[in-house]
Amino acid sequence: DAGVIQSPRHEVTEMGQEVTLRCKPISGHNSLFWYRQTMMRGLELLIYFNNNVPIDDSGMPEDRFSAKMPNASFSTLKIQPSEPRDSAVYFCASSLVSGVANYGYTFGSGTRLTVV
Amino acid sequence: DAKTTQPNSMESNEEEPVHLPCNHSTISGTDYIHWYRQLPSQGPEYVIHGLTSNVNNRMASLAIAEDRKSSTLILHRATLRDAAVYYCILRDPNFGNEKLTFGTGTRLTIIP
Repeated sequence: DAGVIQSPRHEVTEMGQEVTLRCKPISGHNSLFWYRQTMMRGLELLIYFNNNVPIDDSGMPEDRFSAKMPNASFSTLKIQPSEPRDSAVYFCASSLVSGVANYGYTFGSGTRLTVV
Repeated sequence: DAKTTQPNSMESNEEEPVHLPCNHSTISGTDYIHWYRQLPSQGPEYVIHGLTSNVNNRMASLAIAEDRKSSTLILHRATLRDAAVYYCILRDPNFGNEKLTFGTGTRLTIIP
């Protein structure tokens, strides 16, 4: 199993540009999560999907952020327009959720975004 | 979400056991205790979880107090590769709440 795959690993962009981060969850997992990590705020949950449906997007900072999961094997997080304060490491994680059973999350290696 | 409290940092000598404490005095009866760790420049990784009984796996052991208001993650023989930030998280699956809320964790330094 290749694990959760995120691309790109690093992204440097200019303020105002559109940024798209990509995630391929583990096959068979039915929940997907997007997190953002900064020194100041730590790990923050942005949004999560269950069976490709967004369940909780209360962590999405503002309308400039959007996330989609068109199928069970792919998700995107888009920032448009990007701002310097969006600079962070963005992690995608997936998990198998089945009733009250607890299964661990598997995180990707992250995308380090720098907006200049 | 019920809150956990962990020390900001701890140090331990290589090849010695490490006990990482976590307080969760407001834990509910259905909250599971999860531990994750984040190695430098990597995403968090699952370590262990439990409800009431002590748990063991190949990575670590989880000791849960009888009143469940605290727990301890035990690394039996620390190596340099165990240097990481360790997060203690409560999660209640019964409300359909699948998200994990990370706190600030404990930064573990291993001394060679």
